[in-house]
Amino acid sequence: EPEVTQTPSHQVTQMGQEVILRCVPISNHLYFYWYRQILGQKVEFLVSFYNNEISEKSEIFDDQFSVERPDGSNFTLKIRSTKLEDSAMYFCASRPPFGGANVLTFGAGSRLTVL
Amino acid sequence: QKEVEQNSGPLSVPEGAIASLNCTYSDRGSQSFFWYRQYSGKSPELIMFIYSNGDKEDGRFTAQLNKASQYVSLLIRDSQPSDSATYLCAVIQRGGADGLTFGKGTHLIIQP
Repeated sequence: EPEVTQTPSHQVTQMGQEVILRCVPISNHLYFYWYRQILGQKVEFLVSFYNNEISEKSEIFDDQFSVERPDGSNFTLKIRSTKLEDSAMYFCASRPPFGGANVLTFGAGSRLTVL
Repeated sequence: QKEVEQNSGPLSVPEGAIASLNCTYSDRGSQSFFWYRQYSGKSPELIMFIYSNGDKEDGRFTAQLNKASQYVSLLIRDSQPSDSATYLCAVIQRGGADGLTFGKGTHLIIQP
């Protein structure tokens, strides 16, 4: 069964460092998403991406965050200067171009620990 | 602030019984409603989605939607220990292009 692949599975970084989280969405999907989940809290929407541009972003997705689709397969989330409160599980998700349901397939997640 | 509310639990149900999970949402214009299952340390996994008022059944799972009461529920029949997980309710709000708003989830424990 097709899956969304995320790397790394776990990254530890120092506060103030830049981090790039990578995702390979399902190959025929055209809509891509990043969500995050702070330990013990709810899953929060960060950003959606379609046709090489951001289609929607939340208040969390401020200037320290950016997304990019550098080639035909990867979708990345960059955090420019990490803060302690950025420690969370980051989930990438994608969905196909057609169909009535906004049914997302989530990747296994990248756990980010900021020290 | 548009919210999706769930009782965090834990909800403890004997094996073989019906588990009933509830969710309310604040945005009356919400369009689509989803139930995800999340095991500890894992990513959300879709169980069901529902758009229209009424019931929708898929195997042991039934989703119920009442837009007038802004209420969504999930019933799990013949509960199994493997159903023990956190169940997340999620909605697409009015005007939300595609970002899901999640509730905090209900922790369900099926007791053998």
